[in-house]
Amino acid sequence: DARVTQTPRHKVTEMGQEVTMRCQPILGHNTVFWYRQTMMQGLELLAYFRNRAPLDDSGMPKDRFSAEMPDATLATLKIQPSEPRDSAVYFCASGFGQGETGELFFGEGSRLTVL
Amino acid sequence: KQEVTQIPAALSVPEGENLVLNCSFTDSAIYNLQWFRQDPGKGLTSLLLIQSSQREQTSGRLNASLDKSSGRSTLYIAASQPGDSATYLCAVRRGNTNAGKSTFGDGTTLTVKP
Repeated sequence: DARVTQTPRHKVTEMGQEVTMRCQPILGHNTVFWYRQTMMQGLELLAYFRNRAPLDDSGMPKDRFSAEMPDATLATLKIQPSEPRDSAVYFCASGFGQGETGELFFGEGSRLTVL
Repeated sequence: KQEVTQIPAALSVPEGENLVLNCSFTDSAIYNLQWFRQDPGKGLTSLLLIQSSQREQTSGRLNASLDKSSGRSTLYIAASQPGDSATYLCAVRRGNTNAGKSTFGDGTTLTVKP
């Protein structure tokens, strides 16, 4: 059963701490997206990658957020230092690249609470 | 900048009713439009994907239509059931390739009463 896997599912941390969220895209997918969901803003695109290269990270606060794909099976989103306003659910989604339908498949999300 | 609007924000219907959820977008240069379902505390589950060249897609009791020229899509749910209660989101992927990014609406929260 192919699925996008995200860890941790829940994270509670204190302001100023570093937070790393991980995503394992569906095997074979070469496009990975990071979204943040809050009640106020809905789903916001933070960054996305194609063939491990960042295509767009304009939605991401550069001073504290960073996103990488160390290899094709792992995407990471790091916040350092974390702030209470970063509290949200962070979703990873993956899909096929060129020549495919562009359908997105989402993980279950990482719920982050920054105290 | 693509803007996606979903109306209504919330909808409550009795079981068995047919219903329509609406999604509108401002930029018709899209690659595809995808409808998702989200249950509380869960991720997004893909329901239907319509390519820009298509007019509609069907899956079981669900039918999604796309009118690119008017910037609209509808999700039709037939014979609604309490298990259909969830938030429904539409996402529009821009551009003429599948490398573009998707913009989401804020969703319609559906409650189907037994």
